[in-house]
Amino acid sequence: SQQGEEDPQALSIQEGENATMNCSYKTSINNLQWYRQNSGRGLVHLILIRSNEREKHSGRLRVTLDTSKKSSSLLITASRAADTASYFCATVDILTGGGNKLTFGTGTQLKVEL
Amino acid sequence: DAGITQSPRHKVTETGTPVTLRCHQTENHRYMYWYRQDPGHGLRLIHYSYGVKDTDKGEVSDGYSVSRSKTEDFLLTLESATSSQTSVYFCAISDPASRGSPNGYTFGSGTRLTVV
Repeated sequence: SQQGEEDPQALSIQEGENATMNCSYKTSINNLQWYRQNSGRGLVHLILIRSNEREKHSGRLRVTLDTSKKSSSLLITASRAADTASYFCATVDILTGGGNKLTFGTGTQLKVEL
Repeated sequence: DAGITQSPRHKVTETGTPVTLRCHQTENHRYMYWYRQDPGHGLRLIHYSYGVKDTDKGEVSDGYSVSRSKTEDFLLTLESATSSQTSVYFCAISDPASRGSPNGYTFGSGTRLTVV
C-alpha cells in the first residue's frame, strides 16, 4: 500500500513562480525524502528531512515536515522550465523501515511553462 | 546514473517465459532494491538486499525472485512472466547507514518490460 499521498496530482505554473507540493503519510517515520523524476528517467534524490527536523533548505528547495499532522511540503522557488518533472515523497517507517526501505507516494507532475 | 546500471533497458517477452533483469553497482553499497513503477501506483518495492545472499520481500514480491551472489550485482527474476508484470523496473542502492543517519537512494535508469 502507498504510504504517501501527494497533492496536487498535477501542477502547471509559469516560469519564475513558486511551486508547492504537499505529501501526507500514515505512519511514524524516521525520515522523509523528496525525489524528482524526469520523463523516461530514474529518480533523483533531492533532499532528506529527519523526523526531528521541521524545515530544511537546499538551493531553491525548501522542505517542511509536520510530524503531528503527518505531512510535508516541498517548495521550489523561482521555478524554471528545467524543473518540469514528477516529484515524489518517500518515507522510512520507524517500525518497518529496516534496510533503509523507502515507501513512495504516487507523485506530483509539475509543468513549468515559459 | 553514475555507479549503477541496469540491463536490459527494454525487453519484450512472451507470457510464461522466464525473464532476468540485472542491476550492477560500482559504489560498494550494502543495500540494493528492486521497485516497479506503474501509473497510479508510484513505486512499489518488490525485493531488497542488505548484503550478499541476504534478501527479503517487499510489498509486491509474488511472482518474483532475487539473488545477490556478489556485492555489486542484484538480479531480479520473473519465473513465468505474466501480463500484469508489464511495468518499468527500477533498481536502487543506498549507503550503509545507521537508523540515525540514513541517506537517499541512487536509482538506475530503469528497465521497461513488456509481457505480451
